[in-house]
Amino acid sequence: EPEVTQTPSHQVTQMGQEVILRCVPISNHLYFYWYRQILGQKVEFLVSFYNNEISEKSEIFDDQFSVERPDGSNFTLKIRSTKLEDSAMYFCASRAPGGTYEQYFGPGTRLTVT
Amino acid sequence: AQSVTQLGSHVSVSEGALVLLRCNYSSSVPPYLFWYVQYPNQGLQLLLKYTTGATLVKGINGFEAEFKKSETSFHLTKPSAHMSDAAEYFCAVSDRSGNTPLVFGKGTRLSVIA
Repeated sequence: EPEVTQTPSHQVTQMGQEVILRCVPISNHLYFYWYRQILGQKVEFLVSFYNNEISEKSEIFDDQFSVERPDGSNFTLKIRSTKLEDSAMYFCASRAPGGTYEQYFGPGTRLTVT
Repeated sequence: AQSVTQLGSHVSVSEGALVLLRCNYSSSVPPYLFWYVQYPNQGLQLLLKYTTGATLVKGINGFEAEFKKSETSFHLTKPSAHMSDAAEYFCAVSDRSGNTPLVFGKGTRLSVIA
């Protein structure tokens, strides 16, 4: 069964450093999302991406964040200058076109900022 | 704005007992509704969804949920708990376009006691 994959599974970085989190969505999906889950808290939406542009973003997704689909398969989230409060599990999700509506989530990348 | 309330951050049941996890939504128009499960150190897996049609929906692993418009609820049930059901369960909604991001509840941790 096709699945969303994410790399790395765990990333440790120092405050102020740039990180890139990578995702490979399911191949025929056209809608892509990033969510994050701070330890012990609920899953929060960051950004959605469709047709090579951001379709919606939350207040969390400030100028320090960017997303890109550099080729036909990868979908990346970049944090330009990490802060301690960026430490969280980051989930990528994708959705097929049409009326199925469910989003399929990857296993997540745990980002630890020290 | 949509919101999701999950009553009970932690529910504990005996093996073989009924599982009931509560979810209420706040939306002027009934949204699309989802339940996701998160096993330890894993991503989010879709259990079931309601979009249209029959209000009692069946999902994987013996779970089902009933959409009750009058109560703005979408409670998750399973007749007989199994040890392997121990996980975090998240209720989520999106608007009826299906294009908006998911809004998650805070989650309910289910423990199953032998």
